[in-house]
Amino acid sequence: DSGVTQTPKHLITATGQRVTLRCSPRSGDLSVYWYQQSLDQGLQFLIQYYNGEERAKGNILERFSAQQFPDLHSELNLSSLELGDSALYFCASSPDVAGGPAGELFFGEGSRLTVL
Amino acid sequence: AQSVAQPEDQVNVAEGNPLTVKCTYSVSGNPYLFWYVQYPNRGLQFLLKYITGDNLVKGSYGFEAEFNKSQTSFHLKKPSALVSDSALYFCAQGSGNTPLVFGKGTRLSVIA
Repeated sequence: DSGVTQTPKHLITATGQRVTLRCSPRSGDLSVYWYQQSLDQGLQFLIQYYNGEERAKGNILERFSAQQFPDLHSELNLSSLELGDSALYFCASSPDVAGGPAGELFFGEGSRLTVL
Repeated sequence: AQSVAQPEDQVNVAEGNPLTVKCTYSVSGNPYLFWYVQYPNRGLQFLLKYITGDNLVKGSYGFEAEFNKSQTSFHLKKPSALVSDSALYFCAQGSGNTPLVFGKGTRLSVIA
């Protein structure tokens, strides 16, 4: 158990809809990262927050947004969903802005999104 | 931009035989290199890392990896594969102040 909690584990929705994925980082970790895993694209970095502030941005679509709240949990909002957004969305956390003491990240078990 | 290549989508090996999962990284200062493993329906788990020091790095579950600067490679190895090693393996590169960039993953299948 990594200590990172993601909800929901599974989500099925229709095209055009909006969903929110939630992540609770390990206790004490200030950084939260969102990654998207799909069969054809592998594991793609979306966005990172550190202590409530956006720290780094990757291949995140404009239809997607995220935030980190004062209690350090994070939410990833996906809107105007398309079939191609179906993927496994991972949250990871680390104690500092550059990763853990060894630079490693601690991953949740993911939220599987299916868009029909 | 950093990039990581895992040239094999799938690696098959017989139980008890040595295994190698390949990874090459882009040249970018002093790279931080990682291996993660993903078991079915689970998140990624950290296996090992190279930051500096000895080129041979030992990690969890008997895995090790060799950093080769001249070949820009960081191949994952294990002397004797187990069926329970079957999983998806990811190589990743970081620089210490940027989020990790992952390869596309290599599926390892160990056959009894």
